[in-house]
Amino acid sequence: GQNIDQPTEMTATEGAIVQINCTYQTSGFNGLFWYQQHAGEAPTFLSYNVLDGLEEKGRFSSFLSRSKGYSYLLLKELQMKDSASYLCAVKNYGQNFVFGPGTRLSVLP
Amino acid sequence: GAVVSQHPSWVICKSGTSVKIECRSLDFQATTMFWYRQFPKQSLMLMATSNEGSKATYEQGVEKDKFLINHASLTLSTLTVTSAHPEDSSFYICSASPGPDNEQFFGPGTRLTVL
Repeated sequence: GQNIDQPTEMTATEGAIVQINCTYQTSGFNGLFWYQQHAGEAPTFLSYNVLDGLEEKGRFSSFLSRSKGYSYLLLKELQMKDSASYLCAVKNYGQNFVFGPGTRLSVLP
Repeated sequence: GAVVSQHPSWVICKSGTSVKIECRSLDFQATTMFWYRQFPKQSLMLMATSNEGSKATYEQGVEKDKFLINHASLTLSTLTVTSAHPEDSSFYICSASPGPDNEQFFGPGTRLTVL
């Protein structure tokens, strides 16, 4: 089976940097996705990693280490609108996504 | 591109009635569509996977006779909640993918409240 773990909640200050970790155990790994979800809305795609290393996209970066079963999402220059849940999802070959429990991030002024 | 729509956005129904939710891929052909359910403050739970023209594959614990899924075309999948009960009240989200190893694009979700 698959097991994905994320911290339940995090709090950070506007303008700061926050790192949200995701650890996973799976077989046939075929990519890790990060999604942002505001309350009452559907998830929106943030990033995709399939090889080890850092992928940067504006204020958001995502890192993957396949040997360690570990990823993180890095958010820089936090804004109030970044308050949301952040979902880590792992995909195996030919199989569906499995979502982690999500991390609720609160950005304080 | 890659827009997925859901209809209705929200629905309130009486216990015992059936509710149909539509999921459409507007600008691409979706060979695979997924249906998720999300309870408050919880993550997405996959209910079933549907491939165009074939029967849906349900996740363990999901009643196939209660949650009827039809994927009649490459752009439309429907989820029917039959004989709805208050415990079925939830946020139902669909996603669509052009292929089994492609990214999933999510619809805006449907909030179902069963009285």
